[in-house]
Amino acid sequence: DAKTTQPPSMDCAEGRAANLPCNHSTISGNEYVYWYRQIHSQGPQYIIHGLKNNETNEMASLIITEDRKSSTLILPHATLRDTAVYYCIVRVAPGGTSYGKLTFGQGTILTVHP
Amino acid sequence: EAQVTQNPRYLITVTGKKLTVTCSQNMNHEYMSWYRQDPGLGLRQIYYSMNVEVTDKGDVPEGYKVSRKEKRNFPLILESPSPNQTSLYFCASSFGQGGGYTFGSGTRLTVV
Repeated sequence: DAKTTQPPSMDCAEGRAANLPCNHSTISGNEYVYWYRQIHSQGPQYIIHGLKNNETNEMASLIITEDRKSSTLILPHATLRDTAVYYCIVRVAPGGTSYGKLTFGQGTILTVHP
Repeated sequence: EAQVTQNPRYLITVTGKKLTVTCSQNMNHEYMSWYRQDPGLGLRQIYYSMNVEVTDKGDVPEGYKVSRKEKRNFPLILESPSPNQTSLYFCASSFGQGGGYTFGSGTRLTVV
């Protein structure tokens, strides 16, 4: 599985956009980028995923560079409840032999402050 | 409500006493998986299942067993628990055609 690299921690002011970077320079053509977050010791929460096009849903936007070697998760208006550990994960495409496998790294601790 | 349900939420047991942590999902998901989370080591996948009767090892399968006899259930079995299996465990499920895993609320296991 391709590995990802994320900064260990980031800060963001409430109401501002939080931009969380992720490097995945060894990503393969059939691998997607997934983002999850974990608030305290709750179960991780799926946020968004993408292959090569930018994606947006009600929680966040995902920007993937053209060469697919890095991506950025954007929380457009961060709130205090967005304080969490954010994980960037590379996962094979549906139908792949190890599609069920999901390897978490250390993630980025995002702290949103008033 | 669509959810993954784990039981129990908390469990304290003694070394060597077999135990089972249950996991059930009501979303008709094909894939199910178990993780453990430890300070400094993060979330590590134990086993996953692609469908009924089909399972595969994750990164840390030693000391654990799983079974998938029904689509909705994926129990985690510790035949002879040891103190190094003290951890926070999460069950998760997902569709086989995209989308993320939905995680349960966790089971905090202590083996003394």
